Amino acid sequence: NAGVMQNPRHLVRRRGQEARLRCSPMKGHSHVYWYRQLPEEGLKFMVYLQKENIIDESGMPKERFSAEFPKEGPSILRIQQVVRGDSAAYFCASSKNRLAGAETQYFGPGTRLLVL
Amino acid sequence: GDSVTQMEGPVTLSEEAFLTINCTYTATGYPSLFWYVQYPGEGLQLLLKATKADDKGSNKGFEATYRKETTSFHLEKGSVQVSDSAVYFCALEAGNQFYFGTGTSLTVIP
Repeated sequence: NAGVMQNPRHLVRRRGQEARLRCSPMKGHSHVYWYRQLPEEGLKFMVYLQKENIIDESGMPKERFSAEFPKEGPSILRIQQVVRGDSAAYFCASSKNRLAGAETQYFGPGTRLLVL
Repeated sequence: GDSVTQMEGPVTLSEEAFLTINCTYTATGYPSLFWYVQYPGEGLQLLLKATKADDKGSNKGFEATYRKETTSFHLEKGSVQVSDSAVYFCALEAGNQFYFGTGTSLTVIP
């Protein structure tokens, strides 16, 4: 039973390019969460999505960042016109149900983005 | 706002030593508390959790007790092994969000 899959595992971009990060949740999970871990910091919540809906994007930067979770296919985190400060590890997590109480999130291995 | 403060690392211990990693939290209401572990090159894995005051979570020899009076959820293990070398994250869940600490890197040497 495959866990949460993320690809690519490592991504190098030059300033101004676009980065697309993909996340396939665990089978049977319809809730996806994206987190960012900047160097020397903890994971910070970015966005919570269900299929075709953004539920909570309170942690997303206002510009250049967007996320989607289409009816078919993986969730995509898209960063336009990347800057050096976007260099971080981006983690995706999924859950079967909406978080309530101690619902467990299952994490992917992360995508390490390096902006040159 | 809700947050988690975690003991800074890195921590280096000899095999069979006693481990404590401190975690305190700030939250409105009554959050659930978690410890996650991240092995090299892998995603975070749930290690243990507690959902209410005085609950003790335990797994693989690790324990943590939800202390409301001290707003703490310290991780302990009586005898660490080399295979416990990893990064440990304390987290709380409130509403739709998880709040993570910065992580504590543990290295256990033989």
